[in-house]
Amino acid sequence: DAKTTQPTSMDCAEGRAANLPCNHSTISGNEYVYWYRQIHSQGPQYIIHGLKNNETNEMASLIITEDRKSSTLILPHATLRDTAVYYCIVRGTSGSRLTFGEGTQLTVNP
Amino acid sequence: DTEVTQTPKHLVMGMTNKKSLKCEQHMGHRAMYWYKQKAKKPPELMFVYSYEKLSINESVPSRFSPECPNSSLLNLHLHALQPEDSALYLCASRGFRGSMVYGYTFGSGTRLTVV
Repeated sequence: DAKTTQPTSMDCAEGRAANLPCNHSTISGNEYVYWYRQIHSQGPQYIIHGLKNNETNEMASLIITEDRKSSTLILPHATLRDTAVYYCIVRGTSGSRLTFGEGTQLTVNP
Repeated sequence: DTEVTQTPKHLVMGMTNKKSLKCEQHMGHRAMYWYKQKAKKPPELMFVYSYEKLSINESVPSRFSPECPNSSLLNLHLHALQPEDSALYLCASRGFRGSMVYGYTFGSGTRLTVV
């Protein structure tokens, strides 16, 4: 599975959009981009995933560049409860591993 | 039911004790996982069960012994642990496209302290 690079930490004001970037320049054609988050002392929570089209669900939007070498997770109206570590993971459709990188600590400030 | 339930939530054990962690899901997922997470680090994969058979062991020491008695249950038996094994132990299960819950679903974990 391709390696990902994320900023170590980010801050966002409550009510504003949080845009979390992820670089995955070695992604291959059949690999999906997944986003999970982990609120302190809880298990990771699935947010969204995509292959090449932009995706949106009730939690977030995922924007994947045309060359698929990077993506951005967008939380449209961040709340204090969105403070968490956000993990960007690239994974193929076969195999069983979900491998976490270091992730981005997002802090939403009042 | 769209949850993975782990018990106990907290566990303190001595280095000579034997204890077990339990994980349960009723989503019909046939892949189940154990992860270990040290403070301020990402989760690290330990074991994968697929259709109740061990498919991946990430070179985990034998003092950790996984067991999958049926498709809904996953255990992690602990024996002769060391203080450095203190961590958050996470269980997860995986759904497939078209299933009720897609992707990996994680439990809240067991916070283990070895004294």
